[in-house]
Amino acid sequence: GAGVSQSPSNKVTEKGKDVELRCDPISGHTALYWYRQSLGQGLEFLIYFQGNSAPDKSGLPSDRFSAERTGGSVSTLTIQRTQQEDSAVYLCASSLLAVLYNEQFFGPGTRLTVL
Amino acid sequence: SQQGEEDPQALSIQEGENATMNCSYKTSINNLQWYRQNSGRGLVHLILIRSNEREKHSGRLRVTLDTSKKSSSLLITASRAADTASYFCATDAYSGAGSYQLTFGKGTKLSVIP
Repeated sequence: GAGVSQSPSNKVTEKGKDVELRCDPISGHTALYWYRQSLGQGLEFLIYFQGNSAPDKSGLPSDRFSAERTGGSVSTLTIQRTQQEDSAVYLCASSLLAVLYNEQFFGPGTRLTVL
Repeated sequence: SQQGEEDPQALSIQEGENATMNCSYKTSINNLQWYRQNSGRGLVHLILIRSNEREKHSGRLRVTLDTSKKSSSLLITASRAADTASYFCATDAYSGAGSYQLTFGKGTKLSVIP
């Protein structure tokens, strides 16, 4: 596709439910990043993939969060047993490689609201 | 923790004026990037400056980098209402196995009044 796409654009869920967020990176981009942005805040790094492997999972806030990437393309971020503090915009980005001087291209984000 | 910190947190100017935003960071960097975000959605890359560069221009944007002070500034000249957005600086960080990731600041919210 022309850019990074994410789905759904908005998700409202009840506390305790599981949610899955999807990211389609730009075709050919090997690096994929997940960030979280709470209201009025900066971006909080969650995890990144180089191909299908995730060298750095240090940003995942708890073991309720997990992510996978298959075929070096689509990635899903799963949040189990959602809590109200999980409410945020989840942004996905991709870049050609996870190397120096690489620009990241962002998707429009998924706004998650946990009631 | 946040590597880059933007200053001011919010800035309001009249259309046609120049807007200056600053970013300070803590550790050595290889490059610093500026991004723009409209309405809390996806970010758009504006400009990248390498650690051995002092100034870079792109259209109405001018970025400076002072590695001795660990700071950068973004200047938008002749601002337009369409420049209203949040602006973030991002610095690279080595994440192991030859890979790098970006660390973002909290951003400066710019409002340009027509």
